[in-house]
Amino acid sequence: GAVVSQHPSRVICKSGTSVKIECRSLDFQATTMFWYRQFPKQSLMLMATSNEGSKATYEQGVEKDKFLINHASLTLSTLTVTSAHPEDSSFYICSARAGNSNSPLHFGNGTRLTVT
Amino acid sequence: SQKIEQNSEALNIQEGKTATLTCNYTNYSPAYLQWYRQDPGRGPVFLLLIRENEKEKRKERLKVTFDTTLKQSLFHITASQPADSATYLCALEGGATNKLIFGTGTLLAVQP
Repeated sequence: GAVVSQHPSRVICKSGTSVKIECRSLDFQATTMFWYRQFPKQSLMLMATSNEGSKATYEQGVEKDKFLINHASLTLSTLTVTSAHPEDSSFYICSARAGNSNSPLHFGNGTRLTVT
Repeated sequence: SQKIEQNSEALNIQEGKTATLTCNYTNYSPAYLQWYRQDPGRGPVFLLLIRENEKEKRKERLKVTFDTTLKQSLFHITASQPADSATYLCALEGGATNKLIFGTGTLLAVQP
C-alpha cells in the first residue's frame, strides 16, 4: 500500500531556531502533498498545499515566510518552521494522494514540535 | 460560513454494541466524503470514501451513509471492540483544489 514517511517524529528546539520536517512518499509519486497542523484535542487544520516544482499554496492566515515549503521532487516535500516560537509548538502532519484527485489521502505519522 | 461538525462529546459504548458517529456540514457541496481513524500521536488512516450518488457504503464492520439533502453522513461500527477506540474524522473536499478539509472529530471509547 501507499506509504508516507515523515521525519523526525519528535523535535525539541529553542526559540528563534528553525526546524525542517521531511515528508516522503515511499512507493508512489506525489505531485501534490498537503501539510496539516493539529493542536491537542482539535482537528487537523490545513496549512498549505505543496506542489512539485512550483510554489506552495497557503491557507488563509498561514504565514508563508514562517512556514517554508519546498517540494523539490515527486517524492519529497519539506516544511521548515523558521524562527520558531513556543506558540509554534504543535503536531505537524503531511499527506499525499497515490491516485487521482478523488482518491484518499495517505498520512505520515506526524512530527511533534516543541519550542522551548 | 463553511463548517464540518462532528459530535464534540466523546462517545462511550459497550463492547459488542453498534457505534454511530455523525458528520454534518454546511455550505459545502462535496462530490464525496471520507472517513478516517486517528490514534493518539499518529497520522489519520483512511477508512471509507462515499460518493454523492451513493447512499451507503460498507466495509467489513463499517458502514457509511451519505445524505446530501440533510448534508449529513453517518458512520457505523457494528459489533464494536475495544480496539475500535480512537478518534474518527470525516473529511470532504474544500473547493476546486481538491484539498481535504476535516471535521472536528469524535473520540470513541469502547468499554470491554
